[in-house]
Amino acid sequence: NAGVTQTPKFQVLKTGQSMTLQCAQDMNHEYMSWYRQDPGMGLRLIHYSVGAGITDQGEVPNGYNVSRSTTEDFPLRLLSAAPSQTSVYFCASSYLGLAGDEQYFGPGTRLTVT
Amino acid sequence: AQKITQTQPGMFVQEKEAVTLDCTYDTSDPSYGLFWYKQPSSGEMIFLIYQGSYDQQNATEGRYSLNFQKARKSANLVISASQLGDSAMYFCAMRDGSGGYQKVTFGTGTKLQVIP
Repeated sequence: NAGVTQTPKFQVLKTGQSMTLQCAQDMNHEYMSWYRQDPGMGLRLIHYSVGAGITDQGEVPNGYNVSRSTTEDFPLRLLSAAPSQTSVYFCASSYLGLAGDEQYFGPGTRLTVT
Repeated sequence: AQKITQTQPGMFVQEKEAVTLDCTYDTSDPSYGLFWYKQPSSGEMIFLIYQGSYDQQNATEGRYSLNFQKARKSANLVISASQLGDSAMYFCAMRDGSGGYQKVTFGTGTKLQVIP
């Protein structure tokens, strides 16, 4: 099993550009989520999904869009990149999203917006 | 209100000594899970240990143990016999059901440095 994969590993965007961060998992997990990590702020939840076709907002959803058409994939779209979106982005998945379900993390995408 | 609080931005520990990383949490949900993750300088998130709110005993995983004090809402991580490879950021996280689906909230982390 590959676990949780993310592409690309690094990305540089200009302000106003759009792009999609890819996330895929091969563990048949229902629950998937996107976080951003900024220095001194830990990981903050952007969006999450409890199954195909179901998504909801997290703590910091503005400027990001998600969809979940399959169990395996959960892409994160930046609609119009801003320097404030410079961050490290992690995708994670867990079996059902219950209290005891461990989250498995992807390796992260380092995004710089100039 | 902050749901997970890690009050130690940075800690030093001598190699082979034990160290405790503090974590307090806040939730009104009776069912929740507490997790600790390690993030080395390479950046990946590594799961260390889990404690459920209904677990009677403190969780242990090798050199890691979780000192769970439910009434005080604390879930401190204890690392015994520290090794140089333990130098990393450590994050406490909680999964609870308050507000709907069970989202995970992270603390701001503690940077641990092990001194030879």
